[in-house]
Amino acid sequence: AQSVTQLDSQVPVFEEAPVELRCNYSSSVSVYLFWYVQYPNQGLQLLLKYLSGSTLVKGINGFEAEFNKSQTSFHLRKPSVHISDTAEYFCAVSGPGGQAGTALIFGKGTTLSVSS
Amino acid sequence: GAGVSQSPRYKVAKRGQDVALRCDPISGHVSLFWYQQALGQGPEFLTYFQNEAQLDKSGLPSDRFFAERPEGSVSTLKIQRTQQEDSAVYLCASSLAWGSQETQYFGPGTRLLVL
Repeated sequence: AQSVTQLDSQVPVFEEAPVELRCNYSSSVSVYLFWYVQYPNQGLQLLLKYLSGSTLVKGINGFEAEFNKSQTSFHLRKPSVHISDTAEYFCAVSGPGGQAGTALIFGKGTTLSVSS
Repeated sequence: GAGVSQSPRYKVAKRGQDVALRCDPISGHVSLFWYQQALGQGPEFLTYFQNEAQLDKSGLPSDRFFAERPEGSVSTLKIQRTQQEDSAVYLCASSLAWGSQETQYFGPGTRLLVL
């Protein structure tokens, strides 16, 4: 069975500071990895995804993530955050062997709070 | 273009009532998913459709939950005899094709409160 662990439930940070949101996954097979962002009262929006190839993935809004197979991690980073980045961030995994062929399995989320 | 839409956005139901939640996926999207998101948690898979075929319903928590997508576009999630533990946000997502690599596009969700 696959699972996702987001290591921090809340991450407070000051504007223009760098941030890293940590995600570890568990799977016995190859997986695809995703980061989604959820703004208040809105649906989830894809930030980036890793399917194969280069382990450094760049996404929207200046975010990037690095896939590390040996550490089974997919941490999300941004070098300089803005107030508007305040939101809930979800790491997710999908792939063969999951509970459904294509369903996403999500972590519990990390609340990023950016203050001035 | 239009994204995934869901209605109603908010629903308050008395315990024991039946509710129906609607999802309009992006036009032409083959795959449609329903997820349940409890307060402070990540979304959890409920069921999956490929066109009109319900290929996986392993995440439905009980036989009170029923989903359909009769014409391969709009989908309805029905909950019979609602219970307080059904209170959650119900998210619908669609993707263009079948496959784990496909990006899922999410609607804004329906927030269900069962009193």
